[in-house]
Amino acid sequence: DAGVTQSPTHLIKTRGQHVTLRCSPISGHKSVSWYQQVLGQGPQFIFQYYEKEERGRGNFPDRFSARQFPNYSSELNVNALLLGDSALYLCASSLGQGEKLFFGSGTQLSVL
Amino acid sequence: QQQVKQSPQSLIVQKGGIPIINCAYENTAFDYFPWYQQFPGKGPALLIAIRPDVSEKKEGRFTISFNKSAKQFSLHIMDSQPGDSATYFCAAMTTDSWGKLQFGAGTQVVVTP
Repeated sequence: DAGVTQSPTHLIKTRGQHVTLRCSPISGHKSVSWYQQVLGQGPQFIFQYYEKEERGRGNFPDRFSARQFPNYSSELNVNALLLGDSALYLCASSLGQGEKLFFGSGTQLSVL
Repeated sequence: QQQVKQSPQSLIVQKGGIPIINCAYENTAFDYFPWYQQFPGKGPALLIAIRPDVSEKKEGRFTISFNKSAKQFSLHIMDSQPGDSATYFCAAMTTDSWGKLQFGAGTQVVVTP
């Protein structure tokens, strides 16, 4: 069975641009979470979606937004990119509330 | 404010040794404590997890010890192998928090041959 898949794997953008990252959860999983991992640190929670509704939001600015589609895949959007947005963006899926989280390999975003 | 504090930042052991990683938390509402293993360029992979109603859990060579009164938990890697060289993260969550894991800062473990 396929795990959590994310695309693209790597991305280079310049300051002020917009980026869209995509995630497909494990088959049967209805919940998707997004995390940002800066080099040398633990992942930080950004968003969690379940059944297309936002269930949780971390301490990130409004430049960050996300959505979940009827097939449970998800997109993370970041507007007006800053140098500090350079990080590994991780998507995790789970069956539902309180269940084990399984992470994808992430999208490495570099903002120049 | 970091809700889960992890130590040490890094450690080196010889093959067969037992690396021990410690974590402490403040929020007594946390009721799920997983450990993740991460290799360079990969996402974190769930290793083992524990809930506060048990004091120890073993899965293969990995053991979690949990001290609810001290609000501390630790990971032991028995008979460590060079392939265990990775970064390990402890985390904590309340199971009604919809996937909001609070991660520690990570421990880089190197197992020498």
